[in-house]
Amino acid sequence: QKEVEQDPGPLSVPEGAIVSLNCTYSNSAFQYFMWYRQYSRKGPELLMYTYSSGNKEDGRFTAQVDKSSKYISLFIRDSQPSDSATYLCAMRMTSNTGNQFYFGTGTSLTVIP
Amino acid sequence: NAGVTQTPKFQVLKTGQSMTLQCAQDMNHEYMSWYRQDPGMGLRLIHYSVGAGITDQGEVPNGYNVSRSTTEDFPLRLLSAAPSQTSVYFCASSPQTDPEWGAFWYSYEQYFGPGTRLTVT
Repeated sequence: QKEVEQDPGPLSVPEGAIVSLNCTYSNSAFQYFMWYRQYSRKGPELLMYTYSSGNKEDGRFTAQVDKSSKYISLFIRDSQPSDSATYLCAMRMTSNTGNQFYFGTGTSLTVIP
Repeated sequence: NAGVTQTPKFQVLKTGQSMTLQCAQDMNHEYMSWYRQDPGMGLRLIHYSVGAGITDQGEVPNGYNVSRSTTEDFPLRLLSAAPSQTSVYFCASSPQTDPEWGAFWYSYEQYFGPGTRLTVT
């Protein structure tokens, strides 16, 4: 079983729609939960991070973490064509030798004008 | 700042050849790491380093070597390339201070390079 599971999609929505992206995980040692956005043929870039259970908002983006269910979500409101990208969830575990990050497979999103 | 740079952008190797993927960062980050990205598998950690002279294995280290002699550079070596190593390789670096935990833990933030597309025939 993978440490992090993410539906790969693809997901196609009309402009202005609300998008919901989700990941589940199995390791209780994960402490930080992050969402990265990756445009085609580019490196991932950090979009949002959360540490505790609950919601965190940043503009049109809301990150949600439910540690009891081991489930995280990213909501995009009023989606724009520029949001078309692959979204990867990521989780961090820390040991004595440093951080280890585990990524989901990514969900490909297309926002149609 | 140039951020994280990777060379080459593209590379084609024959089975059994060796090569080094270069990664450099100019942000004075202590933590650096290498990932490979494959369709349906996502990003998987190969090796990471918490500072010069210190490296450790990630999730998929077999077939790869790393060393860290300076803070800025973290090269990834393929000693004998195999077709299974065909992938897109990303280098990432991270600041040494975690905004939540302070100086005790390395940060959650990772800055990725543009990637190297490697094909092994």
